[in-house]
Amino acid sequence: DAGITQSPRHKVTETGTPVTLRCHQTENHRYMYWYRQDPGHGLRLIHYSYGVKDTDKGEVSDGYSVSRSKTEDFLLTLESATSSQTSVYFCAITPVGGYNEQFFGPGTRLTVL
Amino acid sequence: KNQVEQSPQSLIILEGKNCTLQCNYTVSPFSNLRWYKQDTGRGPVSLTIMTFSENTKSNGRYTATLDADTKQSSLHITASQLSDSASYICVVGPMDSSYKLIFGSGTRLLVRP
Repeated sequence: DAGITQSPRHKVTETGTPVTLRCHQTENHRYMYWYRQDPGHGLRLIHYSYGVKDTDKGEVSDGYSVSRSKTEDFLLTLESATSSQTSVYFCAITPVGGYNEQFFGPGTRLTVL
Repeated sequence: KNQVEQSPQSLIILEGKNCTLQCNYTVSPFSNLRWYKQDTGRGPVSLTIMTFSENTKSNGRYTATLDADTKQSSLHITASQLSDSASYICVVGPMDSSYKLIFGSGTRLLVRP
């Protein structure tokens, strides 16, 4: 998984509660991404980061915020989880150079009841 | 709207047989096209990446082709193995936004003994 870990790997939470997912990488990659994957949809970009404290919105950013205070960690926060945010969340990184190759973490399965 | 459509949605083949998966896209201009393999419960893993000027790229028993004129790509799997059972995802990288990849929803392949 390209030196990427995600935590937690599984989480069940209730509607209205805050949730933070963590993506950790060990190889100093500059670019990091958060995606969600739902049945019948391709992976959709939520937010991405191009450096410490540098982030931008993706296609489906409503209801999500991110933070990157150090190179190795990219946090995804659901301020008030809703059932529509039940999904599998993937973190990805891009090594320097090449065709913007993206390597994915193992995923976090989030269920919002 | 930039889209990536894959067919079939699912496919069952016998071990040892060949198969071809299709990808049609409307992304224009595009920089590159990738195929990913995603095992159940895991993150996607890159199989091939082709730039807009390439016609074919192989990775072992996997061969991807690209026709930029018709905006079609295919992934051919030769002599299938049980371990080929997975989802195969076609992904297009737009020229003007190389970090915001556009994902197809995948073809789920099941290889039976």
